[in-house]
Amino acid sequence: LAKTTQPISMDSYEGQEVNITCSHNNIATNDYITWYQQFPSQGPRFIIQGYKTKVTNEVASLFIPADRKSSTLSLPRVSLSDTAVYYCLVSERANNLFFGTGTRLTVIP
Amino acid sequence: DTGVSQNPRHKITKRGQNVTFRCDPISEHNRLYWYRQTLGQGPEFLTYFQNEAQLEKSRLLSDRFSAERPKGSFSTLEIQRTEQGDSAMYLCASSPPGQGYTGELFFGEGSRLTVL
Repeated sequence: LAKTTQPISMDSYEGQEVNITCSHNNIATNDYITWYQQFPSQGPRFIIQGYKTKVTNEVASLFIPADRKSSTLSLPRVSLSDTAVYYCLVSERANNLFFGTGTRLTVIP
Repeated sequence: DTGVSQNPRHKITKRGQNVTFRCDPISEHNRLYWYRQTLGQGPEFLTYFQNEAQLEKSRLLSDRFSAERPKGSFSTLEIQRTEQGDSAMYLCASSPPGQGYTGELFFGEGSRLTVL
């Protein structure tokens, strides 16, 4: 399983754009990059997934450079409700996902 | 609510007792997963079912742990002779046919186990 490195924590003010970068130097050809969000006492929730270039949905954007050794999750105009832990995962299959410790995002009023 | 349902949400037990958790996946999801999460850590994979077949088990799943999915619908996770180190949140997730390979899992809210 490709390992990922992401910041332990980040703070941001409400209304700002937040970018969380994840390093995955050993990503394999068939690996996808997936981000999950988790609130306290809840299960993780899928945010976005990509393989290369840029992916955008109603919640976030995912930027993946050509070498795919890193990726950046972009959350536009965060609100207090975006305070959560964000996990970056790299895997070919969903059978055995490695979540790591994630990035704890705190949105400040 | 048509999401993944887990019961009980909380369980407090004494060391040495057996506990069982139940997971009802989203209807028509043929893949089902169990994860364990301790405080401050991300979820750790325990086991995976495709329909009724248990296809993968983590080394974390000791002999005291057993998971079943007898009819390919709901699943149970039993922990025998619980130890204090078993205290954790046990998360169940499911995914539909064809999407399991892209990493999009639908998680339940978890069952929190406290072993005294």
